[in-house]
Amino acid sequence: GAGVSQSPRYKVAKRGQDVALRCDPISGHVSLFWYQQALGQGPEFLTYFQNEAQLDKSGLPSDRFFAERPEGSVSTLKIQRTQQEDSAVYLCASSSFPRARHEKLFFGSGTQLSVL
Amino acid sequence: AQRVTQPEKLLSVFKGAPVELKCNYSYSGSPELFWYVQYSRQRLQLLLRHISRESIKGFTADLNKGETSFHLKKPFAQEEDSAMYYCALSSGGSNYKLTFGKGTLLTVNP
Repeated sequence: GAGVSQSPRYKVAKRGQDVALRCDPISGHVSLFWYQQALGQGPEFLTYFQNEAQLDKSGLPSDRFFAERPEGSVSTLKIQRTQQEDSAVYLCASSSFPRARHEKLFFGSGTQLSVL
Repeated sequence: AQRVTQPEKLLSVFKGAPVELKCNYSYSGSPELFWYVQYSRQRLQLLLRHISRESIKGFTADLNKGETSFHLKKPFAQEEDSAMYYCALSSGGSNYKLTFGKGTLLTVNP
C-alpha cells in the first residue's frame, strides 16, 4: 500500500490564519497519532485516537489546536489563529494495533507548516 | 516526567570506523527504549527496540539501567548509515506515547 499519507506536504500560513492538516492512515489501522516536530527537535506527542475516539489529547499545546477522526479513518488536525511558534513539521502515524505496539507504527512524511 | 537526551547533535565518522550514538534517559519506572532512523527524504522508521535485543543493519543497543543509557553501536560504519537517528522512550505497558530525543545526525564519510 501507499502507507500513511499526509496533505498538504507544505503549508504556508499568515499569522492568525486557520489551517487544517489531513492524515490518511493505512487502511484498517485503528490507532492514529499526531506528533509535532519543531526545527532541530525530536517529535513531540500531540494526541492519540483509537478508531474515532480521541483517548489522549494531553500533548495539544493550546486550545487553538483541535483534532478529529469522525469515522475512524481519516484524521484532521486543525490549528486556529496560527502563531509563529506553530511552525513545525506535523507527523501522523498509524498502527493496526490499539495502544502500545511501537514496532508496528508507521509514520507519514509529515506536513511542514510555516507561519509568517 | 520522562526525558531523553542525545548529547551529540552531529557525529561524523569514516567508513569502516566504529560508531556509537549516545542516548541517556530519565524515567523512574521500567521504560521501553527504541531507536528510530530517518534517511534523507524518507519517513521516520523504527530501527530497533531494546526488548527484542536484535541486531538490525549491524546496529545493536543495550539498555543499561544503572547508567540509564541506551547507546546505539555499530562496529563498522557504512556510507548508507548516514541519517538522522532518534532515541525514544515509552513508559511501557499500555502506554502509547513516545518521548523522543532531539536526534543525532550521523554522517559516514567515504
